[in-house]
Amino acid sequence: NAGVTQTPKFQVLKTGQSMTLQCAQDMNHNSMYWYRQDPGMGLRLIYYSASEGTTDKGEVPNGYNVSRLNKREFSLRLESAAPSQTSVYFCASSAGRFSGANVLTFGAGSRLTVL
Amino acid sequence: RKEVEQDPGPFNVPEGATVAFNCTYSNSASQSFFWYRQDCRKEPKLLMSVYSSGNEDGRFTAQLNRASQYISLLIRDSKLSDSATYLCVVGLFGNEKLTFGTGTRLTIIP
Repeated sequence: NAGVTQTPKFQVLKTGQSMTLQCAQDMNHNSMYWYRQDPGMGLRLIYYSASEGTTDKGEVPNGYNVSRLNKREFSLRLESAAPSQTSVYFCASSAGRFSGANVLTFGAGSRLTVL
Repeated sequence: RKEVEQDPGPFNVPEGATVAFNCTYSNSASQSFFWYRQDCRKEPKLLMSVYSSGNEDGRFTAQLNRASQYISLLIRDSKLSDSATYLCVVGLFGNEKLTFGTGTRLTIIP
């Protein structure tokens, strides 16, 4: 049982380049999330998707776009990367807000460096 | 004021000791509370949910104090493997968004 799988694990980009982070879960979860983690800032929510076909902005959405491709997959796209987007990105999923305890399962993380 | 605040530490504690962390939250409407554990360069993993009546899981005890708006985590008989960063997480009922604290770093010293 893989849980949450995200790719790539590492990526180096030049300023202005674009890329997509991929995330897939095999737990039949309704909700999926993208977080970024920076030193001293904790985990900050970029975008989330409460169900297939819906997406909503989190705390720090600027510079990012997302697609909930189907129930399993939720991708994060950087259209024009900036050095401020250097971070560790985590994808997560959960059964959803009406499941009782909204427990998150995280992927292993993607380390992105923008030069 | 931050939505969720934690003492960043580091807490350096000898093996076998008891250590406690607190986490304060600002939104009195918060309904769900969790402690996650994050090892260095790894993803966060759920340690335990925090219930109104408090709950215990082996050496770990979590408490919720709604009047003062904080949750606590107590670790008894600490092990070297307890060294990690502990993240406090708070959410509103019926809301997908969970807010993370910046974490408390714990190092257990042999």
